[in-house]
Amino acid sequence: DVKVTQSSRYLVKRTGEKVFLECVQDMDHENMFWYRQDPGLGLRLIYFSYDVKMKEKGDIPEGYSVSREKKERFSLILESASTNQTSMYLCASSVAGTSNQPQHFGDGTRLSIL
Amino acid sequence: DQQVKQNSPSLSVQEGRISILNCDYTNSMFDYFLWYKKYPAEGPTFLISISSIKDKNEDGRFTVFLNKSAKHLSLHIVPSQPGDSAVYFCAASWSGTASKLTFGTGTRLQVTL
Repeated sequence: DVKVTQSSRYLVKRTGEKVFLECVQDMDHENMFWYRQDPGLGLRLIYFSYDVKMKEKGDIPEGYSVSREKKERFSLILESASTNQTSMYLCASSVAGTSNQPQHFGDGTRLSIL
Repeated sequence: DQQVKQNSPSLSVQEGRISILNCDYTNSMFDYFLWYKKYPAEGPTFLISISSIKDKNEDGRFTVFLNKSAKHLSLHIVPSQPGDSAVYFCAASWSGTASKLTFGTGTRLQVTL
């Protein structure tokens, strides 16, 4: 079974702080993704990565950056947290190749910015 | 620009009856469609998928139908069970984007006794 682990279930930070969200997968997947989920908006893609050191912007990358130094780990960074970044953050991974591969998700990090 | 739309935010169905969840898309490049189920405080779990070369895919109580001309897909759950109560997201991708998914806004299904 694919296991995607997000380091924190709940996190509370202050505006202006630099925030790190960590995600680890144990299935040697090439692709990794960061989403945020907000009521009425579904899941929106922030950044994704096809390989180590590779990253691509998703639909809403502003205010975020990512790091992928090892294949199994994908970090999301909020450079200077703001209250509009309060959200549920979800990490996912999938195998490389064609599009016909489901993504497997972690349980999410609920982040509150005060 | 919402390329994948779930126009019903919520749906209530009696146990044992059929649940039908709908999804529309606008991008004709999409060639792979998925449904995910999400319980509160958990990540989405993959439920069922369908390729654009098919119009139906079944897995136990779950069937997904794809109507390419109408750019519409639906998920049928028969019979519905209380444990099916969750938020359901449809998602779409195309082969040029290497697994990048575009999600709908979700439909909350409640199965009542």
